[in-house]
Amino acid sequence: KNEVEQSPQNLTAQEGEFITINCSYSVGISALHWLQQHPGGGIVSLFMLSSGKKKHGRLIATINIQEKHSSLHITASHPRDSAVYICAASNYGGSQGNLIFGKGTKLSVKP
Amino acid sequence: NAGVTQTPKFRVLKTGQSMTLLCAQDMNHEYMYWYRQDPGMGLRLIHYSVGEGTTAKGEVPDGYNVSRLKKQNFLLGLESAAPSQTSVYFCASSYLRTYTEAFFGQGTRLTVV
Repeated sequence: KNEVEQSPQNLTAQEGEFITINCSYSVGISALHWLQQHPGGGIVSLFMLSSGKKKHGRLIATINIQEKHSSLHITASHPRDSAVYICAASNYGGSQGNLIFGKGTKLSVKP
Repeated sequence: NAGVTQTPKFRVLKTGQSMTLLCAQDMNHEYMYWYRQDPGMGLRLIHYSVGEGTTAKGEVPDGYNVSRLKKQNFLLGLESAAPSQTSVYFCASSYLRTYTEAFFGQGTRLTVV
């Protein structure tokens, strides 16, 4: 079982829809990261959170430490939001570098 | 600021050839990482460095070597490329290992034929 699991793997939405991507993790973490990767592009950090909720524009990230679960929400989705969204856990006390990654959720927003 | 810069962006190698990927960061970060990204898999850590002159193995280190002679640069070497090393390679850096934002390069798409 992967230590960081994302769902769904693929998501297609119509422009304007509210979108939720989920991330569950089984390791102890110091922080949970949400990353965005556009097709053929680099990886950009969207959020890093260890508790509660963070908001940036139309993006909202929440985390429930007790349930080991985080969600990324996109309100009023737009075709430019089409990308792969990656959840990654900073492994508290881990020795294998910094982040443990989920496999990503590929989002396609249709106009 | 340029952030994290990777060179080259694309490369095609023949089996058995060698090459070096360069990662440069201008944020004075201590930690630097090399990952590979393959279809259907999450990013996997190849090697990482916790400071100038130090390197350590990650999850998939075989077939790769690294060096961090200067704090701002982290080099990834393939001594004898194999088709299994066809992948997209990402470099990242962070100020600390945990609870700090990671900054990624644009990626290097490597094909080994």
